[in-house]
Amino acid sequence: QSVLTQPPSVSGAPGQRVTISCTGSSSNIGAGYDVHWYQQLPGTAPKLLIYGNSNRPSGVPDRFSGSKSGTSASLAITGLQAEDEADYYCQSYDSSLSAPNVFGTGTKVTVL
Amino acid sequence: EVQLVESGGVVVQPGGSLRLSCAASGFTFDDYAMHWVRQAPGKGLEWVSLISWDGGSTYYADSVKGRFTISRDNSKNSLYLQMNSLRAEDTALYYCAKDSLEGSSGWYGYNYFDYWGQGTLVTVSS
Repeated sequence: QSVLTQPPSVSGAPGQRVTISCTGSSSNIGAGYDVHWYQQLPGTAPKLLIYGNSNRPSGVPDRFSGSKSGTSASLAITGLQAEDEADYYCQSYDSSLSAPNVFGTGTKVTVL
Repeated sequence: EVQLVESGGVVVQPGGSLRLSCAASGFTFDDYAMHWVRQAPGKGLEWVSLISWDGGSTYYADSVKGRFTISRDNSKNSLYLQMNSLRAEDTALYYCAKDSLEGSSGWYGYNYFDYWGQGTLVTVSS
């Protein structure tokens, strides 16, 4: 059971904006540790989407944006496209755990 | 171009052993820590193990501690995972992943995985 909680699914029509939350606690996101996001397209390996809360690697469209506030972080997808249908995972560091790297529970984005 | 290519995944009986490999290219392998991350069928991501750039430090998830051993051969740009006493719950797609921090030896609160391999499937079943 992960310490980072995400909604199991979100959906939206093409062109819409969707957001995915990643809720943590005072020992991880709330402690100021960075949040990173990964996109996993069907049948493929995860790919880095956002690092350091809000930074996009080269090649990631600016439709994807990340933010963090308090004990939560969010990934927003604006102008939703069919190819955005995938699983999305947040990742952070938890100082209370012996294995401090933690992934979120994952969110399936469906494009209607 | 960074490439990570895993191999070694097979069907193995409970209690058996297996060694996974990951061949790296496109970056200075011995500058970076490396990780294994697994994903059980239909489930989320689970970090398994980390090895520092020089192999001097290793870390494990509690679920595999004492059964799995991570290692690397920097002369061959290769990462390994020796898996012993395998259980049904170890069935998963195993990914190797590159750490984001040059010279990293552990967790610093801001590491992430900037490149992933395509994964190799380990099935533990009788």
